[in-house]
Amino acid sequence: DQQVKQNSPSLSVQEGRISILNCDYTNSMFDYFLWYKKYPAEGPTFLISISSIKDKNEDGRFTVFLNKSAKHLSLHIVPSQPGDSAVYFCAASRNGNQFYFGTGTSLTVIP
Amino acid sequence: DAGVIQSPRHEVTEMGQEVTLRCKPISGHNSLFWYRQTMMRGLELLIYFNNNVPIDDSGMPEDRFSAKMPNASFSTLKIQPSEPRDSAVYFCASSSYLNTEAFFGQGTRLTVV
Repeated sequence: DQQVKQNSPSLSVQEGRISILNCDYTNSMFDYFLWYKKYPAEGPTFLISISSIKDKNEDGRFTVFLNKSAKHLSLHIVPSQPGDSAVYFCAASRNGNQFYFGTGTSLTVIP
Repeated sequence: DAGVIQSPRHEVTEMGQEVTLRCKPISGHNSLFWYRQTMMRGLELLIYFNNNVPIDDSGMPEDRFSAKMPNASFSTLKIQPSEPRDSAVYFCASSSYLNTEAFFGQGTRLTVV
């Protein structure tokens, strides 16, 4: 059973605009959430994370928002750049163990 | 550190053959994960080791799949016998209690014909 869900398989955004990627989870015991970025033929690389004690974490153009009551998190990329085109995976863990991933969202930033 | 190293990068094998995927985690990391990437399930956790001990193998799809971690610097994922539906990209990842994220290898693309 998929504990982390990304319901949008793909997203296209114009360069310079905001990209919003969404993720839902089912296990209320998850206490740490991460976003990974994956280019073709490469392994996923860590992008940004957030602890369950926070509701927002920002790193440059990337911001992750966490809504614990809705079991929902989102990744905002502002402004979007063509180099951001990749597959983005949402992940969740409990006590830093067993990272559970979603199915990914393929982001295309159009120049 | 060279990061997580997986071998081979690509593997093509015939149905029924044994396949062994290899992983060298980042030195000092005490947790190791094997994932399988498919379109339907994304990055699916197969098995998780902590300090070389398998902690959770509930994601291993069938008895045809087995994984070992004989020491802190090496792990294998074996499929015997392999089937066409096993075709996927298999990733190994490692993490440390000092980190909050897992670091991935470049993956092994397995094709079973």
